[in-house]
Amino acid sequence: QVQLVESGGGLVKPGGSLRLSCAASGFTFSDYYMSWIRQAPGKGLEWVSYISSSSSYTNYADSVKGRFTISRDNAKNSLYLQMNSLRAEDTAVYYCARDPPPYSSTRLPYFDYWGQGTLVTVSS
Amino acid sequence: EIVLTQSPGTLSLSPGERATLSCRASQSVSSSYLAWYQQKPGQAPRLLIYGASSRATGIPDRFSGSGSGTDFTLTISRLEPEDFAVYYCQQYGSSPTFGGGTKVEIK
Repeated sequence: QVQLVESGGGLVKPGGSLRLSCAASGFTFSDYYMSWIRQAPGKGLEWVSYISSSSSYTNYADSVKGRFTISRDNAKNSLYLQMNSLRAEDTAVYYCARDPPPYSSTRLPYFDYWGQGTLVTVSS
Repeated sequence: EIVLTQSPGTLSLSPGERATLSCRASQSVSSSYLAWYQQKPGQAPRLLIYGASSRATGIPDRFSGSGSGTDFTLTISRLEPEDFAVYYCQQYGSSPTFGGGTKVEIK
């Protein structure tokens, strides 16, 4: 069965950095676009970033552009999110999620499987 | 950015009743690229509907989606105890955005 397991969350000071990982199993990871989505405590969902299956395309929400970098290692079935210059408003549970095919230039991601999330807290 | 407004914020219903949830977009959602998710406390969201009206794998047929353009609806024909949760819509015709959610609670 499809499994997505996030790790790497924790407490970090404002201005600090953190790298999240997502280990995928139960499907052919290299065939799928992947995304990160976050949810601040008690709040709604916010898409953060996506990456195409071969890493050719990436895209970011304006709120994280220039600070976060998404990447993947298809040999390791893993997705990553490098987060720099963290702010208090980045505090959230971060989910990795799978975007099912078919893909096209006119369709942005939606999400058929989600991990359980990892909590990132930015506080001094 | 397309803003999605969900209403009502909270829906108080009894098991067996019909639930109708609304999602309105600030501009037209291209190709009906609209999805619905269910989220229970402490859990990740679960995909219910994509393409405005297609049920995801394993989703019971009491869940149905409809709409196009700027107005979309999620209907739960007869509420089961496990359906009480928060529901989010999401558009993916442009940079993905989510609605603020509708909480379906037991009356």
